[in-house]
Amino acid sequence: NAGVTQTPKFQVLKTGQSMTLQCAQDMNHNSMYWYRQDPGMGLRLIYYSASEGTTDKGEVPNGYNVSRLNKREFSLRLESAAPSQTSVYFCASSEAWPYEQYFGPGTRLTVT
Amino acid sequence: QKEVEQDPGPLSVPEGAIVSLNCTYSNSAFQYFMWYRQYSRKGPELLMYTYSSGNKEDGRFTAQVDKSSKYISLFIRDSQPSDSATYLCAMVGGYQKVTFGIGTKLQVIP
Repeated sequence: NAGVTQTPKFQVLKTGQSMTLQCAQDMNHNSMYWYRQDPGMGLRLIYYSASEGTTDKGEVPNGYNVSRLNKREFSLRLESAAPSQTSVYFCASSEAWPYEQYFGPGTRLTVT
Repeated sequence: QKEVEQDPGPLSVPEGAIVSLNCTYSNSAFQYFMWYRQYSRKGPELLMYTYSSGNKEDGRFTAQVDKSSKYISLFIRDSQPSDSATYLCAMVGGYQKVTFGIGTKLQVIP
């Protein structure tokens, strides 16, 4: 039982490049989330998927797209990376209410 | 004003001390409260959750909620060096809406 897994662990991009962050969970959770964590800002929700086939914007969705590929997998895509997207990205999953979330180990992304 | 306020610290205490970590909030819609622990370069892990005012105990950890004052606390008894981490409070106030504090960095000195 691996919980929530994320790939890659580290990534360096040049401004304007694109990439996809992958996330998978094996806990049969319905909901999945993408957060970014920045110093002094805490965790901020980028997008979430309440159930397979649905996605919704969170607090900071600009510059990102997501795909809920199936119940297990939820990917985050940066179409044209910007230095402001340098951050640590966390994927999480949860059952329905009350949303106790289980986090992956994170992806450290640097955009130069 | 942020919905959730949390002192980032760092907070340094000697081993064996009682630690008190706190968050205040402004949104009366918050009904469910959680504490996460995050070790350096790791993802947050859920420590405790509660949805009522009062205390909830789990081993050396006690979560306290005072809804009238909009104030929550996490107490750690007999603190250990392995408790050194960042502690994030989190609050649920609506559909799929979880608001996190910025986290308090705790260091327990042997």
